[in-house]
Amino acid sequence: DGGITQSPKYLFRKEGQNVTLSCEQNLNHDAMYWYRQDPGQGLRLIYYSQIVNDFQKGDIAEGYSVSREKKESFPLTVTSAQKNPTAFYLCASSRPSAGLYGYTFGSGTRLTVV
Amino acid sequence: QKEVEQDPGPLSVPEGAIVSLNCTYSNSAFQYFMWYRQYSRKGPELLMYTYSSGNKEDGRFTAQVDKSSKYISLFIRDSQPSDSATYLCAMSLHDGGATNKLIFGTGTLLAVQP
Repeated sequence: DGGITQSPKYLFRKEGQNVTLSCEQNLNHDAMYWYRQDPGQGLRLIYYSQIVNDFQKGDIAEGYSVSREKKESFPLTVTSAQKNPTAFYLCASSRPSAGLYGYTFGSGTRLTVV
Repeated sequence: QKEVEQDPGPLSVPEGAIVSLNCTYSNSAFQYFMWYRQYSRKGPELLMYTYSSGNKEDGRFTAQVDKSSKYISLFIRDSQPSDSATYLCAMSLHDGGATNKLIFGTGTLLAVQP
């Protein structure tokens, strides 16, 4: 079955450490997205990519970085510059014209700073 | 003012009740309207999709769009404890671009009590 796989499900980060969250999709979708979800704040867009080797900052990109070397993969790195990284991170993908088809989401990664 | 406003709840109802979830929006160019359901610690899943004004029914769920009032609703009939989740509205315009990002509400937490 096609879908989006996020790993790991839970991740613990020490202060000052960079960590990378994995997102892989086999839906042949061109566009991919990273969201951060905090209680009471809904989904906030971190980065998105419409095609391979291209990506754009979302609303809260500071302290995060991404790459899009393959159509199937869109990893997110949470750097030490991100001051409050504890959150639930969601990856999504869509066909072009997401408004027509909607997003498919992964099951999320919960990141905790220890 | 946010583009999409949604009451975060929580909304608690007894089993069998009719539930009404709502969102208002400010951009009159939005054409596509969706509802996502998100269970705790999971990714959102597309529940209902509507285009322009009118009603769409799927089993116990009815999505309603009133473009003149910039108001969308999701009704759940005969609510069940398994409907307990966060419900997010999402919407998009279609301006011919390659990808049109979805704009999400903050989500309403629903609890259906047995």
